[in-house]
Formats: sequence, C-alpha cells, structure tokens
Amino acid sequence: GAGVSQSPSNKVTEKGKDVELRCDPISGHTALYWYRQSLGQGLEFLIYFQGNSAPDKSGLPSDRFSAERTGGSVSTLTIQRTQQEDSAVYLCASSRTGEVHQPQHFGDGTRLSIL
Amino acid sequence: AQSVAQPEDQVNVAEGNPLTVKCTYSVSGNPYLFWYVQYPNRGLQFLLKYITGDNLVKGSYGFEAEFNKSQTSFHLKKPSALVSDSALYFCAVRDMNTGGFKTIFGAGTRLFVKA
Repeated sequence: GAGVSQSPSNKVTEKGKDVELRCDPISGHTALYWYRQSLGQGLEFLIYFQGNSAPDKSGLPSDRFSAERTGGSVSTLTIQRTQQEDSAVYLCASSRTGEVHQPQHFGDGTRLSIL
Repeated sequence: AQSVAQPEDQVNVAEGNPLTVKCTYSVSGNPYLFWYVQYPNRGLQFLLKYITGDNLVKGSYGFEAEFNKSQTSFHLKKPSALVSDSALYFCAVRDMNTGGFKTIFGAGTRLFVKA
C-alpha cells in the first residue's frame, strides 16, 4: 500500500514479556518517528530516525525501550520486560525528509495491552 | 521551552454551523505549525500547515487556519461543519530548540458535530 503500515494492529501480552512492534514507512521517506499515545491523549515523542544518521533516542522513557531501522526502511520498536504502564497505542510516522516543513504521515498504530 | 496549548478538551457544534478549534503556541524564533485530525482507531492525518507567507492557510476537507503572530495563535476553522468532521484534532509545532525534527503535539480537542 501507499501508506505507513504498522503490525500487529493489536498486541496483548503478559507483564514481563518482550514485544516487538513493526513499522513500514512510505517508500522513499527518509525520516521515521515513533510516538506513544495513551488513551486518546496527546502524543509522546519516543525516537526519530533520519537517513543513515544516528537516531535521536531522547524520548525513550527507559532502557527497556529500544528501536532500530534496517536499511533505512523498516523499523522495529522493542519493549523488554513489559510493564502495565507500557499499555498504549504506539504510532509510527514517516516524512519525505526531516525538514521542518514536511508533514508526517502516520500509520494506524499498534494497540498494546499489558495484562 | 517550546509548547502548544489547546485550551478546549471538547467543542460541540451543530451541523452547518461554523466551527473553531483553538490553538496557541510558545516558540523561540519562527513557528512551524501543523494541524492533524485523528478518527477512531486510526493514525493522525495531516490537515494543513503554516510555514511562512499568508496568514490564512487552506487545507484538506474544507478546513483552514489563521496564523496570528501577535496573539501567538493558530486556530482551525471551517465555515460549515459536517457530522463527519467529528474527530480528535491536534495542533502541533516543530521544536526548533532541538533542530526541528521533534514535533510537539497539543493534548487534542475532541470535536462533536451534531446533526
């Protein structure tokens, strides 16, 4: 498809398990962002990738969170030893470049529920 | 610090009436402002942006926004609301203190359009 694709759309797991969330950005988009949205609230920035540059990880809430982007395309967000407060919708977005005038294109998110 | 505020959690309007969703911002330097809309269980969709130029910006689905530098506002408007406009609306600003790649989102305003 032409849009940002995220999988899985829903994930339910037990506290303490690790989870991997996947994002396929729009083809050719060099910038990729991860956000967390809790229960219809605003968006919390997590991490940003731009081309082959080192990612900005300043928004990751703890060392249990990590992300990578392989080949400048697909990205995975990994949460280790999940906690109940990790329950949220995780949104991925991409933009053509990282320039300030570029709008972001969002996927539909992964709804993560920690039991 | 850069910030954006949406003073109304919820806006109610009758179909056919004009609607306004308010946004104020606080930035150092020139603001790069965006409006996004989120429908249930979907990611955010870009509506419009202000980078420079005319203070009245036109966007998707008949929406427009007026940039007011003296009032540091960027209110979203539509002359005639539709029931299908009911959704969650986010105002956002690029965080130029960190190079511009981070986007700061407001808490969101839920718009209800009643038939």
